[in-house]
Amino acid sequence: QKEVEQDPGPLSVPEGAIVSLNCTYSNSAFQYFMWYRQYSRKGPELLMYTYSSGNKEDGRFTAQVDKSSKYISLFIRDSQPSDSATYLCAPATGNQFYFGTGTSLTVIP
Amino acid sequence: NAGVTQTPKFQVLKTGQSMTLQCAQDMNHEYMSWYRQDPGMGLRLIHYSVGAGITDQGEVPNGYNVSRSTTEDFPLRLLSAAPSQTSVYFCASTRTAWNSPLHFGNGTRLTVT
Repeated sequence: QKEVEQDPGPLSVPEGAIVSLNCTYSNSAFQYFMWYRQYSRKGPELLMYTYSSGNKEDGRFTAQVDKSSKYISLFIRDSQPSDSATYLCAPATGNQFYFGTGTSLTVIP
Repeated sequence: NAGVTQTPKFQVLKTGQSMTLQCAQDMNHEYMSWYRQDPGMGLRLIHYSVGAGITDQGEVPNGYNVSRSTTEDFPLRLLSAAPSQTSVYFCASTRTAWNSPLHFGNGTRLTVT
């Protein structure tokens, strides 16, 4: 079983939609959780970072972690064409990082 | 503040050639690492370093060599390039303090023919 499972998509939504991106993980030792956004031909860019169960909000983005279910979510409200990218979830413990394969999102104007 | 800088951006090699991918960070991060990213495979860790003079292997180290003589620089050497090493390579760094996220460079696209 992979450490992190993420639906690769692709996901296509109209502008203004609410987007839900999800990952599951198997290692209960993971202590902090990140979401990265990767535009085409660019490096992953840190989008959200949280180290506890519950929700963390930053503008239109909300990261949700449920440690009991080993489930990580990223919600994007009022999605914009500029949100079109690949989103990678990344649970971690210490300096050990594990990455999902990424979900490709396209927001259609 | 440049963050993590990788050079070159693109490189084409012939099988058997060697080269060095450069990575430098100006954030005084102790931890540095190299990943390769292939379609459907996600990011896979090649080598990492927790400080100057200390390196260790990741998930896919074969065919690659690293050294860390300074805090700022962490070059990745391909000893004898193979077509299987065609990939996008990312360097990333972070503080070694607990719960610190990785910061990535913009990658080197390598093609081996």
